[in-house]
Amino acid sequence: ETVMTQSPATLSVSPGERATLSCRASQSLSSNLAWYQQKPGQAPRLLIYGVSTRATDIPARFSGSGSGTEFTLTISSLQSEDFAVYYCQQYNHWPLTFGGGTKVEIK
Amino acid sequence: QVQLVESGGGVVQPGRSLRLSCEASGFTFSSFGTHWVRQAPGKGLEWVAVISSDGSNKYYATPVKGRFTISRDNSKNTLYLQMDSLTVEDTAVYYCARDPHGTGYWLDPWGQGTLVTVSS
Repeated sequence: ETVMTQSPATLSVSPGERATLSCRASQSLSSNLAWYQQKPGQAPRLLIYGVSTRATDIPARFSGSGSGTEFTLTISSLQSEDFAVYYCQQYNHWPLTFGGGTKVEIK
Repeated sequence: QVQLVESGGGVVQPGRSLRLSCEASGFTFSSFGTHWVRQAPGKGLEWVAVISSDGSNKYYATPVKGRFTISRDNSKNTLYLQMDSLTVEDTAVYYCARDPHGTGYWLDPWGQGTLVTVSS
């Protein structure tokens, strides 16, 4: 199966700063990668699919990039509501697999 | 609005069975593939299974293959997960989620989840 590795495990950022989250795949994904946000006690929410397409109602401060095996989620200016855990997910190979998550916490 | 609501979770002994349900509303359920994804306490997300819009295609993760069965009743707008031979490793919050693009793509939206605890 395709192993997804996210780094760092925890990212400490001050409000208003930029956050850069990484996701690496064990094999090429073409452009078949999505990102999700999960807050405590809530279900995951789709942020981005197709590497860089924002889902409905997702603010423009969230952006995705990358190709092949290396992908990045960037939050340009962190707002208080953005502190959460973020997961990447590949859908290029069966089975679907998720990364282990990056927790973005307040510095 | 588009909504998925899971039910059926609870505490069950190892080796026993449980059936989860996921009721959909706000969209044409019969037009979309639908997934189950689980999250063990304090852990990450693990994909479990998917079923195509008409129920003709089903795929499972290796840890649940042969023990779990995904199904759907489009006349009731409901997705099911029959879980047999449960083990403590199956303890998790189980989410259902729509596949907006087919039967193996991104997931949106997700239900609120239902907790399954396998314990003696």
